[in-house]
Amino acid sequence: RKEVEQDPGPFNVPEGATVAFNCTYSNSASQSFFWYRQDCRKEPKLLMSVYSSGNEDGRFTAQLNRASQYISLLIRDSKLSDSATYLCVALNTGFQKLVFGTGTRLLVSP
Amino acid sequence: DTAVSQTPKYLVTQMGNDKSIKCEQNLGHDTMYWYKQDSKKFLKIMFSYNNKELIINETVPNRFSPKSPDKAHLNLHINSLELGDSAVYFCAFILDLHPYEQYFGPGTRLTVT
Repeated sequence: RKEVEQDPGPFNVPEGATVAFNCTYSNSASQSFFWYRQDCRKEPKLLMSVYSSGNEDGRFTAQLNRASQYISLLIRDSKLSDSATYLCVALNTGFQKLVFGTGTRLLVSP
Repeated sequence: DTAVSQTPKYLVTQMGNDKSIKCEQNLGHDTMYWYKQDSKKFLKIMFSYNNKELIINETVPNRFSPKSPDKAHLNLHINSLELGDSAVYFCAFILDLHPYEQYFGPGTRLTVT
């Protein structure tokens, strides 16, 4: 079992739709969590950190549920430019090591 | 200016060859990483270096060896290349500890034929 698991998708949504991704993690010692975005043939880039209280950045909302060990990302009012792979990431604080999920692919169509 | 650069961007080589991928960062940070992203897009850490000391070595064959000639460079040398080594290799650096953010290089696409 992978330490961070995601539904690979793809999620096909029309512009303007709201879409949610979930991911689960198995290492209860993981302290910090992130969502990275990776465009085709590009490097991953940090989208947002995930805090226990939940956090919002514009159209993006991230939530962490430590009891159930899952993280979510909600995208409202999807844009064509949101089409990418979204990587759920857990930080192994002891080793300063990021553990990546396999990513969820999002395709936003006109 | 680009904070981290990798060369070459593409590398096509034959099995059995030895090759190096270079990574340079101008962030001035100590901790550097190498990641491998395979054909299934799974991104996995290979090595972590802190101040020229190897911190993480994730069950990587000893054909792979990171080399850090100075603080700004972390190169990846691969001996006796195999077909399964074909992947995209990313170097990365910690951009900031608070919040923790890794900044990735543009990647090197290695194809072994």
